[in-house]
Amino acid sequence: AQKITQTQPGMFVQEKEAVTLDCTYDTSDPSYGLFWYKQPSSGEMIFLIYQGSYDQQNATEGRYSLNFQKARKSANLVISASQLGDSAMYFCAMMPAGNEKLTFGTGTRLTIIP
Amino acid sequence: SQTIHQWPATLVQPVGSPLSLECTVEGTSNPNLYWYRQAAGRGLQLLFYSVGIGQISSEVPQNLSASRPQDRQFILSSKKLLLSDSGFYLCASKGGFNEKLFFGSGTQLSVL
Repeated sequence: AQKITQTQPGMFVQEKEAVTLDCTYDTSDPSYGLFWYKQPSSGEMIFLIYQGSYDQQNATEGRYSLNFQKARKSANLVISASQLGDSAMYFCAMMPAGNEKLTFGTGTRLTIIP
Repeated sequence: SQTIHQWPATLVQPVGSPLSLECTVEGTSNPNLYWYRQAAGRGLQLLFYSVGIGQISSEVPQNLSASRPQDRQFILSSKKLLLSDSGFYLCASKGGFNEKLFFGSGTQLSVL
């Protein structure tokens, strides 16, 4: 069974600073995908970034980057130059290859302080 | 890209009443479809997923059921709601393995 752990229930970060949201996972599958989603107060789930387990380079999407450390089973999200609009819940998720289930972590509530 | 239509946005139902939440997908064919539930301030719990018409996999024993009568239609139902069924229900759709999930806007269900 897969398990996603997000150890930071809440974080407060000053505007324009970089922030790292932690995510560790546990799986016995050799091939899997890792995802990060943002959920603002409106409730919608917004896809941010994807990392494949066999990707050689860390994924980047604009201000978002994924610090993927496969040996440590870690997939931390880094947001550079944080903005007030980044305040939201952030979820890490994983899907093993050949398994159609996307398992989510419990989330981190990020609050950006002006 | 895909568009997920989910309704209603909010729903208040008495205990013991039936439930039917509908989700339809545009912009793709033969997607994998999912129902997730999110308790207040919590993560997402997978309830059901479907890889094709009439194919439903249940993840959590409960008084909810799901059906997929058409390729791009996914329905969440209950014959008798419980207080514990309250939550935020999200429908999602996915294509291939490394494709992201597209989510609907969700239904906030309150069972009173």
